[in-house]
Amino acid sequence: AQSVTQLGSHVSVSEGALVLLRCNYSSSVPPYLFWYVQYPNQGLQLLLKYTSAATLVKGINGFEAEFKKSETSFHLTKPSAHMSDAAEYFCAVSDDTGGFKTIFGAGTRLFVKA
Amino acid sequence: EAQVTQNPRYLITVTGKKLTVTCSQNMNHEYMSWYRQDPGLGLRQIYYSMNVEVTDKGDVPEGYKVSRKEKRNFPLILESPSPNQTSLYFCASSLRTGVFGEAFFGQGTRLTVV
Repeated sequence: AQSVTQLGSHVSVSEGALVLLRCNYSSSVPPYLFWYVQYPNQGLQLLLKYTSAATLVKGINGFEAEFKKSETSFHLTKPSAHMSDAAEYFCAVSDDTGGFKTIFGAGTRLFVKA
Repeated sequence: EAQVTQNPRYLITVTGKKLTVTCSQNMNHEYMSWYRQDPGLGLRQIYYSMNVEVTDKGDVPEGYKVSRKEKRNFPLILESPSPNQTSLYFCASSLRTGVFGEAFFGQGTRLTVV
């Protein structure tokens, strides 16, 4: 069975500092991994996705994530935080075993201090 | 514009009064899904559909019904709402699962059952 664990329900960084949001997954088959962002009063939108083509994935708004199979991790990073990055971030895992069984993590709320 | 449209955005109802939340997508996606979002629990899948007339239970299906009579529409039905169904609901669609599993989300429906 698949699962996703996001370490830290809240992360606070200063503007200009490194953003690191942690995600670990469990999957018995090769996974497809996603990061979504949710701004207040909005639905989720895709930041980036890992589909086995490359382990380092670049997404929108300067975010990137690295797939590490040995660590079963897919952490999200951004070198320099902006105030506009304040939002909730969700890691998700899917696979090709059929159905629409995308599993989401509990989410990490990012706060950016001026 | 490619989008998933949910209605209504906000709904307050009383216990036991049947309600329907509509969801429509204009991307000709095969896969559609309903999630509920609760603080600290992330998104939990209620039901999903892999195509017209094909639906299956997600992780928290109790108290909900769905139907998929047309490809574009996937309504969520609460036959007898209870206060524990107070939540934020999202409809999502995707072309497929796995590598094509990028989900497009609606804006959400905030439901309060009193």
